[in-house]
Formats: sequence, structure tokens, C-alpha cells
Amino acid sequence: GAVVSQHPSRVICKSGTSVKIECRSLDFQATTMFWYRQFPKQSLMLMATSNEGSKATYEQGVEKDKFLINHASLTLSTLTVTSAHPEDSSFYICSARKKGLAGWETQYFGPGTRLLVL
Amino acid sequence: GNSVTQMEGPVTLSEEAFLTINCTYTATGYPSLFWYVQYPGEGLQLLLKATKADDKGSNKGFEATYRKETTSFHLEKGSVQVSDSAVYFCALSASPMDSSYKLIFGSGTRLLVRP
Repeated sequence: GAVVSQHPSRVICKSGTSVKIECRSLDFQATTMFWYRQFPKQSLMLMATSNEGSKATYEQGVEKDKFLINHASLTLSTLTVTSAHPEDSSFYICSARKKGLAGWETQYFGPGTRLLVL
Repeated sequence: GNSVTQMEGPVTLSEEAFLTINCTYTATGYPSLFWYVQYPGEGLQLLLKATKADDKGSNKGFEATYRKETTSFHLEKGSVQVSDSAVYFCALSASPMDSSYKLIFGSGTRLLVRP
């Protein structure tokens, strides 16, 4: 199997605080993880690509200093929402890329983290 | 650029009805195509995929055929169940020659199956 976990599943915080979300690949090593944001009833928006041991690559319009990504090991990437504000409230989903037997790589998604900033 | 277009929802069906959710794509090269399903309050699960033209992906009674001539990857199921109620996302991944391997998602189609 290929299991990706996220922690926490749900977090409520006050405006101005920082929140860290963890994404772990439980049974495989992932050199690349992706962070997405999903607004209610909308599709997923790719925020950044997280590569183990190097800086993340952010999509256009995503603030690097606002959404800090660290991919310190082959099984863990973290997303820190700094100085969170109510407009940052969203559903954040990570995925991890796994290489299959034929060399093909598939993304496996975590269950998501719902962030509510008061 | 690459893009995915899905039919707008919601799609409301009675149990045991036939399901089709249309998906078309625009891409350079030879993308791989995916269907993901998202149940309420959960992340995405890979439902099926096809990596080359004329491939048919299938899983849990769902199937989709990669049609390069019509640039389509429509999702079908012969008899839906209430438990199939979810949001379905069509997605593509650029050719393996593209080092980004980003997934590009369609807007999602909500399916509601009534008993």
C-alpha cells in the first residue's frame, strides 16, 4: 500500500499565530511531496512542490514567507502557515509521490487538514 | 498550457442508474490521466488511471478509456450506489519527460446518489 498521513486533521487558531501541518508517507519514501489548498466546493490548487533536502518550489501567487515548507526527510514534509489570518482558513491537502515497479510515479494524498483561523 | 475540463455538477442519480461524468483535456505530449474521488471531509483517493492512448482504467465498477482522438477520459459506472456519492476529479500529469510531474485537476463533479 501507499499511505500518507496528515497531522493535525483539524486545527483552530487565533489570528496572528502560526500553525504547522505535518505530512508523512508511512510506508514509502517520497523525494517529492506536494501541498494543495482547497476552498469549499472547489478544486485543488497546487501551492508548492516540496523536494527532500532542497527548497520548495512555489506556484505563482503563493507567498513563500507566508507558507513555509520544510522537507527534512524522505518521509516528512511540513507546511507552516505563519501569522495566520481568517482568509487562510481552508482545507490543506498534501500528497507524496511514489515510484512504482515500472518506474511510474503516482501521487498519494493525505486526508487533509482543515484550518480555521478566528 | 495543460488543462482539464469537467462537466459541471451536481449530478443527481437514483441508485442503480448509469453514470457518466465527462472529462476532456488539453495537453502537449502524452499525458497520463487520472480520476480521483473525494468523500465528504476526506482527502483524495486515486480511483483509476490510464497512462497511454486506448488504455482503460477500471476500479470498483468504474471505468474510463483514454481517447487521444477526442482528448477525453470520461468516467462511467453501470450501476451506482448511494455509497458512490462523492466529488470526482479528473486530472492529468504531464509526460514523464516533464520533470515537474504536477497534477492538473479539473474543477470536480459532485455526484449525489439517492436511494
